[in-house]
Amino acid sequence: GENVEQHPSTLSVQEGDSAVIKCTYSDSASNYFPWYKQELGKRPQLIIDIRSNVGEKKDQRIAVTLNKTAKHFSLHITETQPEDSAVYFCAASKGGANNLFFGTGTRLTVIP
Amino acid sequence: ETGVTQTPRHLVMGMTNKKSLKCEQHLGHNAMYWYKQSAKKPLELMFVYNFKEQTENNSVPSRFSPECPNSSHLFLHLHTLQPEDSALYLCASSQDGLAGGYNEQFFGPGTRLTVL
Repeated sequence: GENVEQHPSTLSVQEGDSAVIKCTYSDSASNYFPWYKQELGKRPQLIIDIRSNVGEKKDQRIAVTLNKTAKHFSLHITETQPEDSAVYFCAASKGGANNLFFGTGTRLTVIP
Repeated sequence: ETGVTQTPRHLVMGMTNKKSLKCEQHLGHNAMYWYKQSAKKPLELMFVYNFKEQTENNSVPSRFSPECPNSSHLFLHLHTLQPEDSALYLCASSQDGLAGGYNEQFFGPGTRLTVL
């Protein structure tokens, strides 16, 4: 099955700085890579996703990059704000299928 | 409430009890999921239902028994649980994945389960 590894497990940045979270996956057939944000006490919510036919996708301050050859993908948050503080989960699946394999999560703290 | 709802939000049970978790989605989706979220572990997919039919069972112990009477409701029946089953149980829904496509999963708020 798919194995998704996520690093770092915790990350603290100053407000306004950038944050980068990295994930690797094991199954070369995986072709869909969503990122979920889970604020304290709340449910996970999709913030951005990327499919294997593109290498980068951006949505305002958030961007995701994908390197299919190396089987890794990353989340980039620029100009961080306190409300970005949350746990971020990466996931991988073979698209079409319902199975999302999640990473262990990264707790991001943005220090005002 | 719109979206995905779960009841109860908190549950404490003994190892010999039988209880059920309920999930309801108001999004018109055809796929529903149960996940287990434990501290310092990935979200673990437990069961997947597409159009009320179970399509995935990720080696979940038989003390967890899912039920999907229709596309809007999903239950997780619990019996003779162990303390290590204490976790947050999340329900999610999406458009079905059977026809292909990349379908966002919408999560419920979860049930915090404690097994004594």
